Amino acid sequence: GAVVSQHPSRVICKSGTSVKIECRSLDFQATTMFWYRQFPKQSLMLMATSNEGSKATYEQGVEKDKFLINHASLTLSTLTVTSAHPEDSSFYICSALEGSRNTEAFFGQGTRLTVV
Amino acid sequence: GQQLNQSPQSMFIQEGEDVSMNCTSSSIFNTWLWYKQDPGEGPVLLIALYKAGELTSNGRLTAQFGITRKDSFLNISASIPSDVGIYFCAGHTYNFNKFYFGSGTKLNVKP
Repeated sequence: GAVVSQHPSRVICKSGTSVKIECRSLDFQATTMFWYRQFPKQSLMLMATSNEGSKATYEQGVEKDKFLINHASLTLSTLTVTSAHPEDSSFYICSALEGSRNTEAFFGQGTRLTVV
Repeated sequence: GQQLNQSPQSMFIQEGEDVSMNCTSSSIFNTWLWYKQDPGEGPVLLIALYKAGELTSNGRLTAQFGITRKDSFLNISASIPSDVGIYFCAGHTYNFNKFYFGSGTKLNVKP
């Protein structure tokens, strides 16, 4: 399958600072990437859809000024958690669409964010 | 948003047994996918289904796209300890270009 690389895998930051998470499609071009948040023992919650060259589409209840998404190229999308607080601590996962039908989503390894 | 009901929530089985889990939806999907997630990792795609009625295998895994397009099941035959993990179904619609995920099935396999 297609390979999606997410970096960093773990990050600890202080309250009030910003953290950037990268999602790269390594062997294919992805016009669409998705960002999810996953709480312990729960399913994936879609935060936003990232489209190359245009503004991201955010799900209801997700603050776009808090979670900045940039999809500047066909192989890279970034999620920046701004002014992080402890309640932002979570597992963040990206996925990218691939396949001739563009309906197969491949996931990154996830990023464990801890805000102290 | 669309709701996917996945069952069972968890399973405890003996190595060598077969396993079945399923997802149902109140809405039609164009694509059904099944993923496995290990702790601290992102989900890994196991099988993708594109047509109603389609039955697809990937090694010991078999999945079907329901005729009504509102359900799908995943079977694992002759389970082994490395099958342990959480399995998620996901449905995709062209209309919204989104993936909706089930709540997951946690599989435990006793050697």
